[in-house]
Amino acid sequence: NAGVTQTPKFRILKIGQSMTLQCTQDMNHNYMYWYRQDPGMGLKLIYYSVGAGITDKGEVPNGYNVSRSTTEDFPLRLELAAPSQTSVYFCASSPRASLSTDTQYFGPGTRLTVL
Amino acid sequence: GENVEQHPSTLSVQEGDSAVIKCTYSDSASNYFPWYKQELGKRPQLIIDIRSNVGEKKDQRIAVTLNKTAKHFSLHITETQPEDSAVYFCAALPDKLIFGTGTRLQVFP
Repeated sequence: NAGVTQTPKFRILKIGQSMTLQCTQDMNHNYMYWYRQDPGMGLKLIYYSVGAGITDKGEVPNGYNVSRSTTEDFPLRLELAAPSQTSVYFCASSPRASLSTDTQYFGPGTRLTVL
Repeated sequence: GENVEQHPSTLSVQEGDSAVIKCTYSDSASNYFPWYKQELGKRPQLIIDIRSNVGEKKDQRIAVTLNKTAKHFSLHITETQPEDSAVYFCAALPDKLIFGTGTRLQVFP
């Protein structure tokens, strides 16, 4: 199993450009998440999905959009990139076997710089 | 909503000493408390977790304790080694994982 994979690893965007961060998991997990991690900080939840066709906002959703058409893929779309979106983005998935546990498996991250 | 506070933000220890990282949470509905380790430039990885019906859990040199009454939980690393150097995150689960801000642990040989 490859686990959770993310592309690209690095990207530099100009202000106002758009891009899609790709995330794929091969563990058949229903739950998937997108986090951002600013330097020296913790993980902030952007969006999450409990299954194909279902998405919901996290703590910091402004400026982002997601879709979940399949169990495997959970892309994150940035529209009109801003310098405040410079961060490392992590995708994660979880089997979430019950509501009292949530073992998340993280992808390697995408380092995004907006200039 | 849930708020998780983590202390200290940095911790330096000599190899072989113990390290303790503490977290407090605010939502009494939280029932699952994982700890993640993130090495420099790498992804966070789960190292140990505890559920609210358990007071302590050990895995080799790592242990986690939970005090539900006081709403705090701690990570204990004994006999620290240089490879323990990393950032450690605690988290609490009311309905979604809420992460603490991290503790940078440095273990000096």
